[in-house]
Amino acid sequence: EIVLTQSPGTLSLSPGERATLSCRASQSVSSSYLAWYQQKPGQAPRLLIYGASSRATGIPDRFSGSGSGTDFTLTISRLEPEDFAVYYCQQYGSSPRGFTFGPGTKVDIK
Amino acid sequence: QVQLQESGPGLVKPSGTLSLTCAVSGGSISSSNWWSWVRQPPGKGLEWIGEIYHSGSTNYNPSLKSRVTISVDKSKNQFSLKLSSVTAADTAVYYCAREFHDSSGYPIGLDYWGQGTLVTVSS
Repeated sequence: EIVLTQSPGTLSLSPGERATLSCRASQSVSSSYLAWYQQKPGQAPRLLIYGASSRATGIPDRFSGSGSGTDFTLTISRLEPEDFAVYYCQQYGSSPRGFTFGPGTKVDIK
Repeated sequence: QVQLQESGPGLVKPSGTLSLTCAVSGGSISSSNWWSWVRQPPGKGLEWIGEIYHSGSTNYNPSLKSRVTISVDKSKNQFSLKLSSVTAADTAVYYCAREFHDSSGYPIGLDYWGQGTLVTVSS
């Protein structure tokens, strides 16, 4: 079973700054099956990135994803006030079949 | 626009069975998508519970497999979750979600989510 770890646990930044979030897998993950979600308090998660680097419908281009193998990155080029939230990476494994989430990175206002 | 709505009791007694339903609107549960349940304990991260296809095929999180049953009702365009022998550790917001897939049919993410429903396990 693949385990996802995310770092840092919390990222304190100011609006306008660049955010770089890391997701590391315990085994190699196909880039096709690595996704990122944003979750704000009291809301359901929202899909941001799938296939490691493809933005979901309606996601601003300040969000970008990259990486391969065991190391993946979510970058927010310039933080807007609405971007302060928790971000989760996720992958779908084949053995056993199913989704796995990372523990999340909280991006809060410095 | 696909919409999902969870419903069910907000309070379940310890050792009892948690039962939730997810109603799908704006799309058919018999489409080529799989459908998932995800939960989130208060203040904690996301945990995938399991998934179902309209044919009834299922996959479950190994850590919950012995206690979970997910079923589908195509006539009502909904799917359901049952979690047995619950304890306080099962207290969480439960979400239902739609999976989307690549061209080979492999799941690559969850694109539509319900708003979530809080289930508390307490006597």
